Amino acid sequence: GAGVSQTPSNKVTEKGKYVELRCDPISGHTALYWYRQSLGQGPEFLIYFQGTGAADDSGLPNDRFFAVRPEGSVSTLKIQRTERGDSAVYLCASSLTPGDDTQYFGPGTRLTVL
Amino acid sequence: QKEVEQNSGPLSVPEGAIASLNCTYSDRGSQSFFWYRQYSGKSPELIMFIYSNGDKEDGRFTAQLNKASQYVSLLIRDSQPSDSATYLCAVSDPTNFGNEKLTFGTGTRLTIIP
Repeated sequence: GAGVSQTPSNKVTEKGKYVELRCDPISGHTALYWYRQSLGQGPEFLIYFQGTGAADDSGLPNDRFFAVRPEGSVSTLKIQRTERGDSAVYLCASSLTPGDDTQYFGPGTRLTVL
Repeated sequence: QKEVEQNSGPLSVPEGAIASLNCTYSDRGSQSFFWYRQYSGKSPELIMFIYSNGDKEDGRFTAQLNKASQYVSLLIRDSQPSDSATYLCAVSDPTNFGNEKLTFGTGTRLTIIP
């Protein structure tokens, strides 16, 4: 079956612009996570969804970042007024149920803010 | 601040030898530990998880956990050039059952020399 997909694969934007990053989890997976990975670093947790609700958004760096998952499947990470420091690879992962050991990662979206 | 520490490497190991990767974590309450492999430009892929003290073997891979020392390791036997990658150690949040948000180390870059 299909894995986690993310679009776009690359996004180049200018400082101050708004961007949306999309994640399509594995069908039937109820838990969805967003991480951010900067060069030379491990992924850093941003937000966790259980179904439609954001169960833990403690990793969002500030209020410019927001994520939704309105129907409990596809999720969109939204970044307002982008800054150069937002440049990173944004990774989405899903797991079958909360507490499931295996998180399957998508290929990521490389965001570059000029 | 929960921390996961890894030696960033690079670690060079001859083909056929045993590669040993190490990780320490700061939160004594942590319960679940994961090793991910990440090829350059790709997303993380789960290799193994371990919960209990001792060893867990899966093919050429062995994970070792010592909770008293807050230490996790990964051994790769009969190393192959295809094992060349960055290996990420991750720990799940012990305070939120069902929320498997992960804290990652910075990763150890492993190179297998033919």
